[in-house]
Amino acid sequence: EVQLVESGGGLVQPGGSLRLSCAASGFTFSSYWMSWVRQAPGKGLEWVANIKQDGSDKTYVDSVKGRFTISRDNAKTSLFLQVNSLRAEDTAVYYCARGRALVRGAIDGFDIWGQGTMVTVSS
Amino acid sequence: EIVMTQSPATLSVSPGERATLSCRATQSVSTNLAWYQQKPGQAPRLLIYGASTRATGIPARFSGSGSGTEFTLTISSLQSEDFAVYYCQQYDYWYTFGQGTKLEIK
Repeated sequence: EVQLVESGGGLVQPGGSLRLSCAASGFTFSSYWMSWVRQAPGKGLEWVANIKQDGSDKTYVDSVKGRFTISRDNAKTSLFLQVNSLRAEDTAVYYCARGRALVRGAIDGFDIWGQGTMVTVSS
Repeated sequence: EIVMTQSPATLSVSPGERATLSCRATQSVSTNLAWYQQKPGQAPRLLIYGASTRATGIPARFSGSGSGTEFTLTISSLQSEDFAVYYCQQYDYWYTFGQGTKLEIK
């Protein structure tokens, strides 16, 4: 079964840090771009970051540049998101998602999603 | 930033009827558009990519159309499991989502 399972969320104070993890199974992890997408409580979806198959290319939404770092370990079929300098507006469910395919330099859809891990930033 | 606007915010339709959801971009995204379905407490599910191609396992009652700045998701005959929130997402310039349309039972 193709599956993504996130972990690592929790309650953290403003300015704090967390490391989110996503364990992949059921597919050749090293063959796919991977992404993080977040959803604030009761709100819509926001793309956060992408990483290329070999980790050589990483892109971020402007609001997290310099604070978040995406990485992966293909040997352990795992995706990570290091989130630093957290702000209240980072409070959200963070989803790990698989990029369906790269078409003309862009991921053309996120076709597999995890169940999400909640990050709450509050004092 | 390309802003995606979905309409209506809420759509009330009876089971068995057709539902038409709209998505508009602030600038042309060609056909670089995807649609997702999200049910309460669940992760989103990819329905359509390339504006009109159904993702793996998606029933034929779901269809997408449009190009440039105007897009439509049509569900031809609503089933009980189709009542959910639907999001459009462009991937022409970075990745941005619409605010969602809630499809509810009339």
